[in-house]
Amino acid sequence: QKEVEQNSGPLSVPEGAIASLNCTYSDRGSQSFFWYRQYSGKSPELIMFIYSNGDKEDGRFTAQLNKASQYVSLLIRDSQPSDSATYLCAVNSPGSQGNLIFGKGTKLSVKP
Amino acid sequence: GAGVSQTPSNKVTEKGKYVELRCDPISGHTALYWYRQSLGQGPEFLIYFQGTGAADDSGLPNDRFFAVRPEGSVSTLKIQRTERGDSAVYLCASSPPGLAGVNTGELFFGEGSRLTVL
Repeated sequence: QKEVEQNSGPLSVPEGAIASLNCTYSDRGSQSFFWYRQYSGKSPELIMFIYSNGDKEDGRFTAQLNKASQYVSLLIRDSQPSDSATYLCAVNSPGSQGNLIFGKGTKLSVKP
Repeated sequence: GAGVSQTPSNKVTEKGKYVELRCDPISGHTALYWYRQSLGQGPEFLIYFQGTGAADDSGLPNDRFFAVRPEGSVSTLKIQRTERGDSAVYLCASSPPGLAGVNTGELFFGEGSRLTVL
């Protein structure tokens, strides 16, 4: 059973702090890793993707991938109240082009 | 339109009825996906189309569920003999073609169709 595990939270951080969101996956064959943000009552939107081990930075967001540990994380620097949402980790399903397996998501709350 | 369009946005039906949910993907996106999401859960894969054909239907829960994409654009998800457990938000997503025709996995979601089976 291919799985993507996330702490459901809620994760509460003060405004301006760094929020750290974590995800583990079970299938070593997975090659592509995604972070989606989902506001309450809305659909998921892609914010980051990473394919190679190491860090990838995009503005206030940094995705980190460690394939040996089957671990992917998302750091949000200078967290803002508008970052309050559920963050979904998604991993590609090897052998099925483009099909993603999603975790349950971590709910982030940024307090002013 | 600019984004993925799904209709209806809300559907309430009675147990045992037949339901159709429609998805109009972003123009030029060759891949189309159906997911469903229950409260507090992540999206659960149902079926994936590349062009007109279902490339992967391994996520369909049983034979009451069926989806088509006859002209490689609009898709319809069909649910027969609905059950209360089918209640969820049904999400459609499309994805642009990547290099060498390999999908990138970057999904663009519609706003979903919320299905309630009474």
